[in-house]
Amino acid sequence: AQKVTQAQTEISVVEKEDVTLDCVYETRDTTYYLFWYKQPPSGELVFLIRRNSFDEQNEISGRYSWNFQKSTSSFNFTITASQVVDSAVYFCALGFYGNNRLAFGKGNQVVVIP
Amino acid sequence: EAGVAQSPRYKIIEKRQSVAFWCNPISGHATLYWYQQILGQGPKLLIQFQNNGVVDDSQLPKDRFSAERLKGVDSTLKIQPAKLEDSAVYLCASSLGPLGETQYFGPGTRLLVL
Repeated sequence: AQKVTQAQTEISVVEKEDVTLDCVYETRDTTYYLFWYKQPPSGELVFLIRRNSFDEQNEISGRYSWNFQKSTSSFNFTITASQVVDSAVYFCALGFYGNNRLAFGKGNQVVVIP
Repeated sequence: EAGVAQSPRYKIIEKRQSVAFWCNPISGHATLYWYQQILGQGPKLLIQFQNNGVVDDSQLPKDRFSAERLKGVDSTLKIQPAKLEDSAVYLCASSLGPLGETQYFGPGTRLLVL
């Protein structure tokens, strides 16, 4: 079964604090890919990052960083020095090369308090 | 480059009425998707098109939902008749191809069925 678990439903942080969002996935496929999307109050899902299963290199983009660990089936996302504009729902998703159906987690609601 | 366009952004109807949503994908993207996102959940794929053909509609409630992409570009999703449980955000996404490609999402249409 293909499944994505985002355990933390809502996370509140004070501005400038760091916040880490956990994503744990389950799949029997040996090749797959993972995404993080941001959904601000406007509703659009904004693509943040894609990581293929054969590439375990971590990535940093500005205040965002991602830690992909195949051994623990996790793809965690950290926002450093959070800002109010980071307030949104963040979704982790799992995709497969055999088709393009994405399995989404339930999302993490991040609230950054000024 | 223009993103995925959707209209209307908001729609309120009464149950048993019909409603239609429109989507224009990113230029050059052959694959188009319609998702349903119920409050507090991740998006669920309803239907996937490759050009003007249906690739996957296994999760589309075909007794009331229909979708078409006649010329392989724009697409419409229709609900007839609507039920209360259809209240959700309907997201359109597109990708270059059908397998292993990143999906880019539009702003969504928020539907409220009274």
